[in-house]
Amino acid sequence: AQSVTQLDSQVPVFEEAPVELRCNYSSSVSVYLFWYVQYPNQGLQLLLKYLSGSTLVKGINGFEAEFNKSQTSFHLRKPSVHISDTAEYFCAVSPTNDYKLSFGAGTTVTVRA
Amino acid sequence: DAGVTQSPTHLIKTRGQQVTLRCSPKSGHDTVSWYQQALGQGPQFIFQYYEEEERQRGNFPDRFSGHQFPNYSSELNVNALLLGDSALYLCASSFELSIPNTEAFFGQGTRLTVV
Repeated sequence: AQSVTQLDSQVPVFEEAPVELRCNYSSSVSVYLFWYVQYPNQGLQLLLKYLSGSTLVKGINGFEAEFNKSQTSFHLRKPSVHISDTAEYFCAVSPTNDYKLSFGAGTTVTVRA
Repeated sequence: DAGVTQSPTHLIKTRGQQVTLRCSPKSGHDTVSWYQQALGQGPQFIFQYYEEEERQRGNFPDRFSGHQFPNYSSELNVNALLLGDSALYLCASSFELSIPNTEAFFGQGTRLTVV
């Protein structure tokens, strides 16, 4: 079985400041890793994914994440946030031979002017 | 491209009733997954349908059932509703020949409130 732990439930940040959202996972098999964003009253939108290869993954809207296999982490970063980045962010894992996505509990990012 | 479409967007049901939620996948997609997202939590996998059959199921009771139609659209049925079934129900579609979950698109969800 897989599990995902998002270490911060809420992250307040000022506009144009950097932000990092932390995600650790556990799995006995190889997994793919994902970050999703959910804006209020909307579904999930894929920000980025790690399948294999380079451990630094770049996504949409200026986000990037780094896969660390030894620490089983997949932290999300953005060097300069905007008000529009205010949303809920979910880390998710999926075994490479499975159809199920397992999500963390989410991190609420609130960007203030 | 309309993306993944779910209906209705909101509904209110009474304990013990039955409910049916509907999902139309993104054009070109043939696989549909359903997730339950309780307030303040991450989505939980209910099941996935492909070729009109349930091929993987999460840890949900038999009160949760589904169906996939020949046009790839899908329904989620929940019987004997409990207050704890109140949640946002998300549908995700994908294409079978893509790597699992790597090209999944989510709908905006159906907000179910059980009173």
